Amino acid sequence: LAKTTQPISMDSYEGQEVNITCSHNNIATNDYITWYQQFPSQGPRFIIQGYKTKVTNEVASLFIPADRKSSTLSLPRVSLSDTAVYYCLVGGDMRFGAGTRLTVKP
Amino acid sequence: AAGVIQSPRHLIKEKRETATLKCYPIPRHDTVYWYQQGPGQDPQFLISFYEKMQSDKGSIPDRFSAQQFSDYHSELNMSSLELGDSALYFCASSFPGLAGPGTDTQYFGPGTRLTVL
Repeated sequence: LAKTTQPISMDSYEGQEVNITCSHNNIATNDYITWYQQFPSQGPRFIIQGYKTKVTNEVASLFIPADRKSSTLSLPRVSLSDTAVYYCLVGGDMRFGAGTRLTVKP
Repeated sequence: AAGVIQSPRHLIKEKRETATLKCYPIPRHDTVYWYQQGPGQDPQFLISFYEKMQSDKGSIPDRFSAQQFSDYHSELNMSSLELGDSALYFCASSFPGLAGPGTDTQYFGPGTRLTVL
């Protein structure tokens, strides 16, 4: 199972773009990368999933380089309500590692 | 749209008592996961079931057991409760992703907050 590593915390300001990178050096050929967002006292919520290159939805973009050993979640123009913990999961491993606590300041 | 239902939402127990948490997955979801999340911690995977069979096992204590029933709902049974069992317990459900294994998307319930006194 691919192990993931993310920064423990990040700070940003409203209106900025935030990029959170996840390392997954031993990702398997068939593994997809999935990101979740969690607010306090709520269950994690699916944000985006991808396999290679770039995926974009109404919430975020996901960039995956050719070697797929990392991925970057991009949140455009964050607001205070984006303050949350963000997790990346790889493949069928549903174990959450240490997520990234994003704090958006006014 | 239907979501994952968990009951009860809050539960207060004494040490050494037992507790049963219930999870009702989204209709047609065939996989259920259980997680424990202590204050300020990341969700810890406990156990999962696919088509009523245990599919994966994480850091579930021996005092805990779980099963998935024929109607796909799941129950987490917790015995000899300890103070350290106080946490939020999340259930999630999923169905096979369109791109095959490993592309499932989990949908989480609101959680059950268990307090052990």
